[in-house]
Amino acid sequence: DQQVKQNSPSLSVQEGRISILNCDYTNSMFDYFLWYKKYPAEGPTFLISISSIKDKNEDGRFTVFLNKSAKHLSLHIVPSQPGDSAVYFCAAGGSNYKLTFGKGTLLTVNP
Amino acid sequence: NAGVTQTPKFQVLKTGQSMTLQCAQDMNHNSMYWYRQDPGMGLRLIYYSASEGTTDKGEVPNGYNVSRLNKREFSLRLESAAPSQTSVYFCASNSLPGRIAEAFFGQGTRLTVV
Repeated sequence: DQQVKQNSPSLSVQEGRISILNCDYTNSMFDYFLWYKKYPAEGPTFLISISSIKDKNEDGRFTVFLNKSAKHLSLHIVPSQPGDSAVYFCAAGGSNYKLTFGKGTLLTVNP
Repeated sequence: NAGVTQTPKFQVLKTGQSMTLQCAQDMNHNSMYWYRQDPGMGLRLIYYSASEGTTDKGEVPNGYNVSRLNKREFSLRLESAAPSQTSVYFCASNSLPGRIAEAFFGQGTRLTVV
């Protein structure tokens, strides 16, 4: 039973445009959510997070939106840059501090 | 600023051989984790250690054992390697619960079992 789902394996956008990566979850006990970015041959690195008490968190070009009623979150990258090309993982955590990850979305930003 | 350090970075094993993957963190984190990443499968939790002296199974524990040697170190052992264990293994750590506990990851160990 996959508790965190990223239904789009890949996404391709033009440089300067918006990238929107989506994530759905099923477990109502999750109370915070994170996005990680992963380049080939490197470990995942933390990008941005959001607590379940908020519906938006912004950090520079990156914004995460949370819709608790729909159990859905999204990551917006504006404007997208070629260096943003990577695999993006959505993750969710609860009071037991253990993170559950989605399968990832490969973002390609074309110059 | 080492963060999470994994050794080795690459390893090739023959079926049936054993080996231990080492992980150490210098951030004074209580919790440590072992994940494996396979194509199309994302990051799956193998084992985790909530604190020194405790370990628990994750999503895919079969074929693995772990040891939380001290607060800094968390090792993963394959007693009898199988081709299905060919994967990239990541160690991670994070801090106490009660706030958003982002995990920090090592660079990974690429393991091939032939």
